[in-house]
Amino acid sequence: NAGVTQTPKFRILKIGQSMTLQCAQDMNHNYMYWYRQDPGMGLKLIYYSVGAGITDKGEVPNGYNVSRSTTEDFPLRLELAAPSQTSVYFCASSYSRDGRDTQYFGPGTRLTVL
Amino acid sequence: EDQVTQSPEALRLQEGESSSLNCSYTVSGLRGLFWYRQDPGKGPEFLFTLYSAGEEKEKERLKATLTKKESFLHITAPKPEDSATYLCAVPQGGSEKLVFGKGTKLTVNP
Repeated sequence: NAGVTQTPKFRILKIGQSMTLQCAQDMNHNYMYWYRQDPGMGLKLIYYSVGAGITDKGEVPNGYNVSRSTTEDFPLRLELAAPSQTSVYFCASSYSRDGRDTQYFGPGTRLTVL
Repeated sequence: EDQVTQSPEALRLQEGESSSLNCSYTVSGLRGLFWYRQDPGKGPEFLFTLYSAGEEKEKERLKATLTKKESFLHITAPKPEDSATYLCAVPQGGSEKLVFGKGTKLTVNP
């Protein structure tokens, strides 16, 4: 199993550009998550999904959109990129019904907005 | 509001010098506490899950313990390869969302 994979690893965007961060998992997990990690600030939840076709906002959803058309994939869309979205983005997945199951993380995407 | 606080923010040890990292939490109805290890430029790697006060788990030089208010990650005779940032997290009350602490950056010098 590859686990959780993310592409790209690095990306530089100009202000106002858009892009999609890709995330896929091959563990047949129901739950998928997007986090951002800023220096000294810990991991913050952006969006999460409890299954195909179902998504919900996390702590910091503004400026992002998600969709979940399959169990395996959970792309994160950035519209009109801003410098405040410079961060490292992590995707995670779990087979969780009540938060007790382990979340497994991908390797991350480092995004810089200039 | 559910909170997770880790201390210290950074810790430098000499190889072989044992110590402990702390994770204190305020959450209604604890349903588990997770420890992760994160190396620079990589995603968090799962270490342990603890579900109830008094529970302990071990992996090589690491031992995690849990009380009703906090968890400790004890590192016995650390080696340079144990250098990493250690994160703890708890499920937010009544949901599947995790609340993470800011982490403790551990450096072990040879």
